[in-house]
Amino acid sequence: AQKITQTQPGMFVQEKEAVTLDCTYDTSDPSYGLFWYKQPSSGEMIFLIYQGSYDQQNATEGRYSLNFQKARKSANLVISASQLGDSAMYFCAMREDNFGNEKLTFGTGTRLTIIP
Amino acid sequence: KAGVTQTPRYLIKTRGQQVTLSCSPISGHRSVSWYQQTPGQGLQFLFEYFSETQRNKGNFPGRFSGRQFSNSRSEMNVSTLELGDSALYLCASSLGARGGSTDTQYFGPGTRLTVL
Repeated sequence: AQKITQTQPGMFVQEKEAVTLDCTYDTSDPSYGLFWYKQPSSGEMIFLIYQGSYDQQNATEGRYSLNFQKARKSANLVISASQLGDSAMYFCAMREDNFGNEKLTFGTGTRLTIIP
Repeated sequence: KAGVTQTPRYLIKTRGQQVTLSCSPISGHRSVSWYQQTPGQGLQFLFEYFSETQRNKGNFPGRFSGRQFSNSRSEMNVSTLELGDSALYLCASSLGARGGSTDTQYFGPGTRLTVL
């Protein structure tokens, strides 16, 4: 079964608008971390934001915020005031607290295109 | 602080050859993980090294191997290259906290391998 699901293969958004990228996850582990990465066409994966399963508040980092709904197993990334430089692939990922299996599991990604 | 570096950035090999990729982690990071990214399979975990020991391993054949040195630098080796090994190989470093749920991985720019 897919552990991380990103249902939007591609999105087009007007510059300066806010955008929400969807991510749902599946785990039975009570302790886990959720991560969002940005991958421009150059290929490098850039870490954006982290949310721990026990965090009471939604994470924020500058223009990025994470809408964490634990009961729904959802961790959507919100980018406010989008910019042309935000055009990239975005990946949601999860690490479970699983000794001996600390790998990062990725979703299939969403390609975001910002239109001027 | 310098980020994760990977060398070489681009590589072209022929079937049957072998290749070695190198990764230098962020200073102070003791864990190095390797991922393969292809259009068809997405991002797949290869293995993780921590303090010169392989701590986790993904589902790849034995042709894929790695090692880590005392300065935390890591190398990945692929022997008897196949056409399907053409991919972007990403290395990520982290502090290496056990469990993983709070351990953020930071990625390098990747090595793009083409097998002809």
